[in-house]
Order: sequence, then C-alpha cells, then structure tokens
Amino acid sequence: QKEVEQNSGPLSVPEGAIASLNCTYSDQGSQSFFWYRQYSGKSPELIMFIYSNGDKEDGRFTAQLNKASQYVSLLIRDSQPSDSATYLCAVKPNFGNEKLTFGTGTRLTIIP
Amino acid sequence: ETGVTQSPTHLIKTRGQQVTLRCSSQSGHNTVSWYQQALGQGPQFIFQYYREEENGRGNFPPRFSGLQFPNYSSELNVNALELDDSALYLCASSSRQSLNTEAFFGQGTRLTVV
Repeated sequence: QKEVEQNSGPLSVPEGAIASLNCTYSDQGSQSFFWYRQYSGKSPELIMFIYSNGDKEDGRFTAQLNKASQYVSLLIRDSQPSDSATYLCAVKPNFGNEKLTFGTGTRLTIIP
Repeated sequence: ETGVTQSPTHLIKTRGQQVTLRCSSQSGHNTVSWYQQALGQGPQFIFQYYREEENGRGNFPPRFSGLQFPNYSSELNVNALELDDSALYLCASSSRQSLNTEAFFGQGTRLTVV
C-alpha cells in the first residue's frame, strides 16, 4: 500500500463546476496535510494546508480532513481553465520532521 | 514568488559525472529539504537539513549528499550520475519552529543525464 494515494486522473470538469480531488494516507500518526498545484514543467505551488478535522476554506478552495478515515480532499468551486494542472497531496508526519510524503498527483482539466 | 531560489534552472550532464545544485531558502526558514521528481510522479524525499546537519533521509544511495550553510542555504551533490537521475530536483524551505508550518518550493533544477 502506498503511503499517500491519489487518483491519477485525468479528471475533466466543466468550467464553473466544482472539482473534487481526493487523497488517502496510510500513516495514522500524520499531523499536517497539504495541497500543491503544479503546472506542467513548473515546481509545486502551495494552495492550502490543514491539520484539524473538518473543513478549511480559502477563496474558491476548500480542504477537508477526516483523520478517522485517513482521508483529505480539496474542492475547487467555480472552476476556471487556469485551474487545469496536477494537484499533489502531501502529508507531514509529526513535529520536528519537515519531510513531506507526496501522492503521484491528480491531473485536472477544466473544460471551457 | 516563494523567496526560495534554485540554481541552475537547467543542466545537462554525462553519465558518470558529478553535479552540484544550489538552493537559497526563504528568509526566516531554517530547514531545507530536497526532492527528486521524475516525470509523471510525485516528488520523492531525498533528505533534509536543519542547523547544518542532515536530519532525515529518504531511500536514496550515498552518492546523493548535501550541505547546509550557516545562512541556511543548501547544496545537493550527486556523484557518478546515472541516466535514471534525470529528473526535476526541488528544494523546499520551511521553518521547524512549530507543528504546522508550510514548505515552499523553489523553481527547481531540471537535470538531464545523457
């Protein structure tokens, strides 16, 4: 079992709709969870992080965390063509360890 | 702009050669982590440096080594390059001050080994 799993996609969503990206992780002790966006040929860009169960909203983005189910998701509302990218889920284990374990990423395409 | 800078941006090396990649961390950050990202994959953790010492290492051979300097900048050295070392190398800067701190990436170095 991979430590962090994501559906590789591609995920196609019409412009203006909600895109839902999912991620599961295997280490129950994981403390912090991050979503990065990566455009082709570029480096990952941090979108959101979350560490408490529940929802965290930032503009059009909402991160959701359920530690009991070891599940984290990212919702993108009012999807725009500029949201087309690969979305990487990353998990940090515990305090004092800055190592991030990444999933393979989900490729999202917003269809105009 | 994250404030994390890497150099060079692109590099072509021959198999068997050695390479040094550089990273300047974001102001106020004391931890630098290095990642290797192969095409179509997520970044893989190589190692991290905190207070000039290696503080955690992923599943990479000893020919991958690094340094962190007093100003928190860092180098990644790879000896005896192999074709499979061709990848995007990413440096991430963070602050090991509290539990929930974000890591910001530099623009990466694209290494091609021929």
